[in-house]
Amino acid sequence: KAGVTQTPRYLIKTRGQQVTLSCSPISGHRSVSWYQQTPGQGLQFLFEYFSETQRNKGNFPGRFSGRQFSNSRSEMNVSTLELGDSALYLCASSPILASYEQYFGPGTRLTVT
Amino acid sequence: DQQVKQNSPSLSVQEGRISILNCDYTNSMFDYFLWYKKYPAEGPTFLISISSIKDKNEDGRFTVFLNKSAKHLSLHIVPSQPGDSAVYFCAASAKKGSQGNLIFGKGTKLSVKP
Repeated sequence: KAGVTQTPRYLIKTRGQQVTLSCSPISGHRSVSWYQQTPGQGLQFLFEYFSETQRNKGNFPGRFSGRQFSNSRSEMNVSTLELGDSALYLCASSPILASYEQYFGPGTRLTVT
Repeated sequence: DQQVKQNSPSLSVQEGRISILNCDYTNSMFDYFLWYKKYPAEGPTFLISISSIKDKNEDGRFTVFLNKSAKHLSLHIVPSQPGDSAVYFCAASAKKGSQGNLIFGKGTKLSVKP
């Protein structure tokens, strides 16, 4: 079974721009969660989608948004990028909503200059 | 305020010896705990978990111990192998069924020397 895939793997953007990251979960998984990883804050939860609906949301500003498609693929969008948004963005999928045992993708490394 | 703390950013152990990674938490409502392992350029991989109704869970070379009164858990790796070299994240949750309440520590980088 193919694992979680994320595209692109690396991205460089300028302050003020917007960015869209993509995540394809493991086949059959319907839950997709997004996390931001920075050296200072560690792994922080952004949001979770299940059956195309946002089920949970972390403590991030409205510039961070996401969506999920009918095939469970998910996108995350960050508008008006700030330097502090530079991070590794990880996507994780689970077969069901209530599962803690998530399968992570390799992440997208976003650098904002 | 950090609810899940991994106070040792790094740990170095000799191959064949025991590795002990520690994690402290402050929220007494946490009832489920997990450990993830992360290699460079890869996403975290689920390693082992423990429910608050238990004080020990074992899976091969990996054992997690939970001390609820001390709000402390630890991951023991015996024997340690060079392939275990990675960053280990401790995570905790107070609400079943919601990744939104999965709180991660900042990780401990384990180096196992041959």
